[in-house]
Amino acid sequence: AQSVTQLDSQVPVFEEAPVELRCNYSSSVSVYLFWYVQYPNQGLQLLLKYLSGSTLVESINGFEAEFNKSQTSFHLRKPSVHISDTAEYFCAVSGQTGANNLFFGTGTRLTVIP
Amino acid sequence: NAGVMQNPRHLVRRRGQEARLRCSPMKGHSHVYWYRQLPEEGLKFMVYLQKENIIDESGMPKERFSAEFPKEGPSILRIQQVVRGDSAAYFCASSPQGQGGSPLHFGNGTRLTVT
Repeated sequence: AQSVTQLDSQVPVFEEAPVELRCNYSSSVSVYLFWYVQYPNQGLQLLLKYLSGSTLVESINGFEAEFNKSQTSFHLRKPSVHISDTAEYFCAVSGQTGANNLFFGTGTRLTVIP
Repeated sequence: NAGVMQNPRHLVRRRGQEARLRCSPMKGHSHVYWYRQLPEEGLKFMVYLQKENIIDESGMPKERFSAEFPKEGPSILRIQQVVRGDSAAYFCASSPQGQGGSPLHFGNGTRLTVT
């Protein structure tokens, strides 16, 4: 089975400052990794994913995450945040074999301060 | 292309009543997943279904909870004799494939409140 740890439950950051949201995973098999974002009273939206190839993956709105196998991490970063980035961010993992179930971390609430 | 549709958005039930949550996957998706989100917690996997089959129900409570995905119609998550601890947001997701790596598309959830 897989599990995900998001150590930071809340991250406040000033507008235009950089941010890093941490994610570590545990698995006995090779994994796929995802970041989802949840805005208030909405479902989760896929932000970016790592399946294979380059360990650095990017989203269309400036976020990026780097898969680090040796540290079993998949931290999410953005060099300059906007007010609109305020949301809950979930890291998730699924095994490369077997069913497509996603296992989620407990989430990090990013609050961008004007 | 409509996304994953869940209804109702909000559901209030008294203790002991039944709750029925519906999920229509995205067009062309035959794999459905149900997750529960408790306040201040992440999403917990409950059950994974493919048309007419339960593939993995390892996250389902042993009693009172059941799920189905019939050949025709939406997937249904049914909670019998609800208790206050069942109050949560229930999210449905779908994917076109069941293999790992196929991103899940989520609905906006059903927020169940048990009074």
